[in-house]
Amino acid sequence: DAGVIQSPRHEVTEMGQEVTLRCKPISGHDYLFWYRQTMMRGLELLIYFNNNVPIDDSGMPEDRFSAKMPNASFSTLKIQPSEPRDSAVYFCASSPGRGYQPQHFGDGTRLSIL
Amino acid sequence: AQSVTQPDIHITVSEGASLELRCNYSYGATPYLFWYVQSPGQGLQLLLKYFSGDTLVQGIKGFEAEFKRSQSSFNLRKPSVHWSDAAEYFCAVGNTGNQFYFGTGTSLTVIP
Repeated sequence: DAGVIQSPRHEVTEMGQEVTLRCKPISGHDYLFWYRQTMMRGLELLIYFNNNVPIDDSGMPEDRFSAKMPNASFSTLKIQPSEPRDSAVYFCASSPGRGYQPQHFGDGTRLSIL
Repeated sequence: AQSVTQPDIHITVSEGASLELRCNYSYGATPYLFWYVQSPGQGLQLLLKYFSGDTLVQGIKGFEAEFKRSQSSFNLRKPSVHWSDAAEYFCAVGNTGNQFYFGTGTSLTVIP
């Protein structure tokens, strides 16, 4: 079975540019999560969706961040405009259930904002 | 409120030695417990999970974990560590109330 697929694996861009990260969850998983991982702050939950609907976006750092899930097989995390402090590894994960099922992670997107 | 604590930020063990990584949780009812491993440049991979039943859970890569309700712990163990086990390990706890929390992780270094 295909796992969670994220693209791109690496992104380097200049400050002020728009960045779009993409995620394809595991088929049949109703929950999709976006995380950010940095050395300073560890693993942070940014937002999660249930059946394509955003449920909790309290972890989104500011209005420059937005996430969408137009259908069950695709989600995007967008940063506009990007800033150097957004540099991190962004993970997408999916799960068949929220609290009682394990989350399955993609390999992440390593984002560097110059 | 539910939470999970990994008291050890970093652990160093010799190859071939036994390993125990600590995880403590705070939750009133029986939680759902997980251990993940993250190798450098990779995402988190599920090692094992505990839902109910036998309190000793076997996972992949030779790992096991024991749920101890009286100590609110779910420690990860391996009898003999291999150099390839060097990674970051995360404990996580969930419940039927749709909450899921990760610990802050323990970094494992394996020395020859």
